[in-house]
Amino acid sequence: DAKTTQPNSMESNEEEPVHLPCNHSTISGTDYIHWYRQLPSQGPEYVIHGLTSNVNNRMASLAIAEDRKSSTLILHRATLRDAAVYYCILRGTWETSGSRLTFGEGTQLTVNP
Amino acid sequence: EAQVTQNPRYLITVTGKKLTVTCSQNMNHEYMSWYRQDPGLGLRQIYYSMNVEVTDKGDVPEGYKVSRKEKRNFPLILESPSPNQTSLYFCASSPSRGTNTGELFFGEGSRLTVL
Repeated sequence: DAKTTQPNSMESNEEEPVHLPCNHSTISGTDYIHWYRQLPSQGPEYVIHGLTSNVNNRMASLAIAEDRKSSTLILHRATLRDAAVYYCILRGTWETSGSRLTFGEGTQLTVNP
Repeated sequence: EAQVTQNPRYLITVTGKKLTVTCSQNMNHEYMSWYRQDPGLGLRQIYYSMNVEVTDKGDVPEGYKVSRKEKRNFPLILESPSPNQTSLYFCASSPSRGTNTGELFFGEGSRLTVL
């Protein structure tokens, strides 16, 4: 399975933008890039996903490099409630590896007031 | 409300005493999966199911069994629990093929301690 690499931890100040990087140099052409986050004492929750183009939703933006070997999750204005572990994972189509999903250790984001 | 429900949320048991952790989803998802989460190891997939009566091993299936007799339920069975199965367990479900969203919906987790 294609692997992702993320920094163990990052820190930000409240109301400032946060850029969370993810490297996935072995990504295949059919892999979607998914981001999840896990708040303390909760199950992971979906944040955003994309294939080639940059994506925006109410929670965040996803910037995907042109060669797709890296991506960046952007939180435009961090709040204290954004403090969580953020996971970047690759998900193939159902016909390939879409059913086996490997989460790494993710990035622990700390938001300072 | 769309949700994935796990029970029990907390359990302390002893080595060798069979137990089942239930998982139920109300979103008519065909795909369901179990993960365990341990410090320093992230989330590791135990088993997954693409549909009723279709299950397959994930990365760490040893010591676990699953069944998928109905679409909404996917129980995790520990026939003879051992202390190394002490962990936080998550069940997840997802829309199936035909959609490229594949968003996983997770339960709240079940914290299991085996003495």
